[in-house]
Order: sequence, then C-alpha cells, then structure tokens
Amino acid sequence: DTAVSQTPKYLVTQMGNDKSIKCEQNLGHDTMYWYKQDSKKFLKIMFSYNNKELIINETVPNRFSPKSPDKAHLNLHINSLELGDSAVYFCASSQGPGQGYEQYFGPGTRLTVT
Amino acid sequence: AQSVTQPDIHITVSEGASLELRCNYSYGATPYLFWYVQSPGQGLQLLLKYFSGDTLVQGIKGFEAEFKRSQSSFNLRKPSVHWSDAAEYFCAVAPRGTASKLTFGTGTRLQVTL
Repeated sequence: DTAVSQTPKYLVTQMGNDKSIKCEQNLGHDTMYWYKQDSKKFLKIMFSYNNKELIINETVPNRFSPKSPDKAHLNLHINSLELGDSAVYFCASSQGPGQGYEQYFGPGTRLTVT
Repeated sequence: AQSVTQPDIHITVSEGASLELRCNYSYGATPYLFWYVQSPGQGLQLLLKYFSGDTLVQGIKGFEAEFKRSQSSFNLRKPSVHWSDAAEYFCAVAPRGTASKLTFGTGTRLQVTL
C-alpha cells in the first residue's frame, strides 16, 4: 500500500544511453513532481504536472522529458545520459497545486551514469 | 530571488539532549514553511508545516517549529532527541497561494551519540 512508488530504485547506465524512471501514486492526488537531489543532497524541483498538464518546468536540459499518461503516473525519460545526470531523482505528489497541500515523496531512484 | 538558508551543515547531539535546527528564508512575503526529514536511503517525510495562525507548530515524532516573522526564521526543535532521529533535515518554502514550487535549503545532517 505504498503511497508514492518509483521504479527502479537503482539505475546504473553508461553515458549516451536513454533511460526512463517511472512513478506511481495511489493517493488520488492531482499533482505530481520530479525533483533532483545531487551528491551534496541539494534538492531542486524539475517538473510538476497537474491533471496531466505541465505547470512547472524549471531550467532543465531538453534531454529530460516528463510524461504523464494519467493523474496517477508521472514518468521521466532522459536521453543521451551524461555523467552530471548522476543523482537521486525523487517523485512526489500532492492533492493539488494550491495552498494547503503538502507533498508526499517517493523513495527515490539513484541514477549512476558511468 | 527567494532563498532558504540552513546555516548548520552538520550537528551532533547526545541522545536525550535538546535540539534546535536553524532555518532562515528570504522572500518578498511570508511564504509557506515546511520541515522535511530524510532518513538514510529513504525519501522525504513531512515533519510539520506553517501556513498561517499560531506561530508555534507541532509536528510528528515530537518535533515543533516556531515561525518568527521579525527574524525570517522557522527553527525546528525537539526537547529530547532519540537515536532514531539521526537523519538529514530540510527546511523548505513555497510561495504563498501555492505549495507547488518548493525551494529547499541545503539540509542539516543530525548525528546522535549514545
């Protein structure tokens, strides 16, 4: 009965490859997010979707493309992986984008690019 | 530009001792304020949040935080620390009116000695 789940938990790949990370929430939330946590533990928002519509798109390389097939899922596809993409990627969800809605985080996906 | 500062990168306390983790923010108007905890290898869990009202906020696991507008601070406290509280603690802010765009501080790593 995990609230926000991510797959895979670990991902090791070589530079230049394309990979995807999947996120699913069973909380009935309308809004989902992707965050990147770098090696110094700094967390930064990348994207946010509300009802499958992109509402936040921070300064992220075009190689990163989020896709939301439905409200419960938000996937992150990364093309042409680079060494600097190595990080922990967290998915989160909230009831809505407005006030009063806290974000619930998934366990993270540790991506290592070699 | 909005920013969140956690001045202490690493704090060590003895089990049973009191704890205070500092958080200062720079914002045009009082934002929404949050404290999250990240245990090793885990996602983030919300400890408490401040939107309005009483400036002393109670959270889970015996934590509390006090919002001080004059000091632009939102410090986290616990009267008696347990060994299981060892983790990374993040202060975060979001613009008033939306809790979507969280900006995180750099985190404070808490170590608890027995």
